[in-house]
Amino acid sequence: AQKVTQAQTEISVVEKEDVTLDCVYETRDTTYYLFWYKQPPSGELVFLIRRNSFDEQNEISGRYSWNFQKSTSSFNFTITASQVVDSAVYFCALSEAGNNRLAFGKGNQVVVIP
Amino acid sequence: GAGVSQSPRYKVAKRGQDVALRCDPISGHVSLFWYQQALGQGPEFLTYFQNEAQLDKSGLPSDRFFAERPEGSVSTLKIQRTQQEDSAVYLCASSLKSAGSTDTQYFGPGTRLTVL
Repeated sequence: AQKVTQAQTEISVVEKEDVTLDCVYETRDTTYYLFWYKQPPSGELVFLIRRNSFDEQNEISGRYSWNFQKSTSSFNFTITASQVVDSAVYFCALSEAGNNRLAFGKGNQVVVIP
Repeated sequence: GAGVSQSPRYKVAKRGQDVALRCDPISGHVSLFWYQQALGQGPEFLTYFQNEAQLDKSGLPSDRFFAERPEGSVSTLKIQRTQQEDSAVYLCASSLKSAGSTDTQYFGPGTRLTVL
């Protein structure tokens, strides 16, 4: 069974601080996919990144970076120099190969204080 | 291009009423998914279509929930005899590829259902 745990519920940071969101996943499959989505107050889930289980390279996109470590079953997300527009709920999700459904964590509410 | 659209954005129903929620996926997307998101929780899978075929409906919480995608494009999620516990945001997502190839799902804005 696929499962995603996001332990931190709400995180408040002052603008320009860095914030790291933890994601720990469980799966029995050797082939799987990990995702991060952003859900701003408007409600729409915005796709941020997709990684497959065979690609452990870390990735950076602007102020966003992701650290994938299979040894600890973690796929953590860091926002560098946070901005007020980063205030949102961030979800980590897992999909096993051949099973297209996404299993989401409970989400991290990020509040950036100006 | 246009993203996934859903209508209505907000729906208030009295307990016992039937409701129908519509999803227009991204043009050309083969797969379509429905999720239910309770307040303060992550989305939970309901059902999945590949073209017009409903390949997985294991997440539907009861037989009051029914989904269809008759022409392989627009989908409707119907809830019969609504109950208060059905209050949630219903999210639709679509992806380009078919089953067996996990592709990125793109989500619509959701329909917020409130059952009084």
